[in-house]
Amino acid sequence: GESVGLHLPTLSVQEGDNSIINCAYSNSASDYFIWYKQESGKGPQFIIDIRSNMDKRQGQRVTVLLNKTVKHLSLQIAATQPGDSAVYFCAEAGGSYIPTFGRGTSLIVHP
Amino acid sequence: DGGITQSPKYLFRKEGQNVTLSCEQNLNHDAMYWYRQDPGQGLRLIYYSQIVNDFQKGDIAEGYSVSREKKESFPLTVTSAQKNPTAFYLCASSPGQGRRLSGYTFGSGTRLTVV
Repeated sequence: GESVGLHLPTLSVQEGDNSIINCAYSNSASDYFIWYKQESGKGPQFIIDIRSNMDKRQGQRVTVLLNKTVKHLSLQIAATQPGDSAVYFCAEAGGSYIPTFGRGTSLIVHP
Repeated sequence: DGGITQSPKYLFRKEGQNVTLSCEQNLNHDAMYWYRQDPGQGLRLIYYSQIVNDFQKGDIAEGYSVSREKKESFPLTVTSAQKNPTAFYLCASSPGQGRRLSGYTFGSGTRLTVV
């Protein structure tokens, strides 16, 4: 599992490239998953969600993929832009509907 | 504009002092939540409330207290019993249990620093 520390996993990409951010979730009973974007000093913003009866969902420039077999979630961002630079984290929720949040991945987009 | 407002944006606390962080929402959401975020870590749940006049402890409630006297408001008090209060505090709200979590909305946060 992930170790607790001050440094987040970081993904560096060039502007225009596609980005893939991964998340491993822990609870096989979770049936709802959300991706959030958090810019420095701000609150998280909802990006896209997916329910466990789906394995793929597309939004504007973003796609979420869900693999329940290995409890893995990914967020794909097409044609990444400098404004996409932020911390991205996933959340999983089950019957209680109170999400559990991952630690996050820092995305850095170079112009 | 419907939303969730946290104040103040920055707060400084002296040792041994209690401070209260404000959270107000006009989304008509039933449920409200307080999270703590430390550098490089995920969000940790402090307290949550699913209905007025009721609230439950989250994973790290020690040293914190809350009230939910009104649907719109869920203030968090950081007491002197919280030994390491320096962190970024986030308030959130959602339509309520059993409803779509895509309505789970965060405030812009309060950064609390002990001086």
